Amino acid sequence: TQLLEQSPQFLSIQEGENLTVYCNSSSVFSSLQWYRQEPGEGPVLLVTVVTGGEVKKLKRLTFQFGDARKDSSLHITAAQPGDTGLYLCAGAEVGNNNDMRFGAGTRLTVKP
Amino acid sequence: DTEVTQTPKHLVMGMTNKKSLKCEQHMGHRAMYWYKQKAKKPPELMFVYSYEKLSINESVPSRFSPECPNSSLLNLHLHALQPEDSALYLCASSRPGGTDYGYTFGSGTRLTVV
Repeated sequence: TQLLEQSPQFLSIQEGENLTVYCNSSSVFSSLQWYRQEPGEGPVLLVTVVTGGEVKKLKRLTFQFGDARKDSSLHITAAQPGDTGLYLCAGAEVGNNNDMRFGAGTRLTVKP
Repeated sequence: DTEVTQTPKHLVMGMTNKKSLKCEQHMGHRAMYWYKQKAKKPPELMFVYSYEKLSINESVPSRFSPECPNSSLLNLHLHALQPEDSALYLCASSRPGGTDYGYTFGSGTRLTVV
């Protein structure tokens, strides 16, 4: 059983559409991170959310941390082909800092 | 310098070979990590070093041997690997208590065991 459940696993949309990716767990996290990974490269940190209920925006990307710090979401507005990639949520349970685990990832394809 | 540098980028080794993967960062991060990523899967944690001491070993087989010679360097020594060990090996670094700050990953070493 994965510590972090991500959905959907695959997402293929047209340019200009909106989408939301979810990251859920039964555990409480001190923080959650979202990364984007291109083929053959390491994950690149997009954002860290720390406070329950927190919302962070990064251009067309909006990240939310659940009030109970057990879940997070990533919303992309007006997706572009350059958004194509693997999106990974990651976090460590409270009291297990440095023991960061990844969700299974959402593979996003944005078609022109 | 905000990078984690991994060498080599690609490595092909036989099952009887001994090789080492290297990772270097100059961000002053005192926590460093090795992750293993198989195709179409997320990265899986292998080892964590905090202040140059091994703090987490995720039951990794002894054919993988980590080493942290100083606060900037992390090595992964490989010996008698199996073909199923072929994967992308990722190094990362962070401040201690790193998950609140996020990790910086290198580009990885693509390892093929033949």
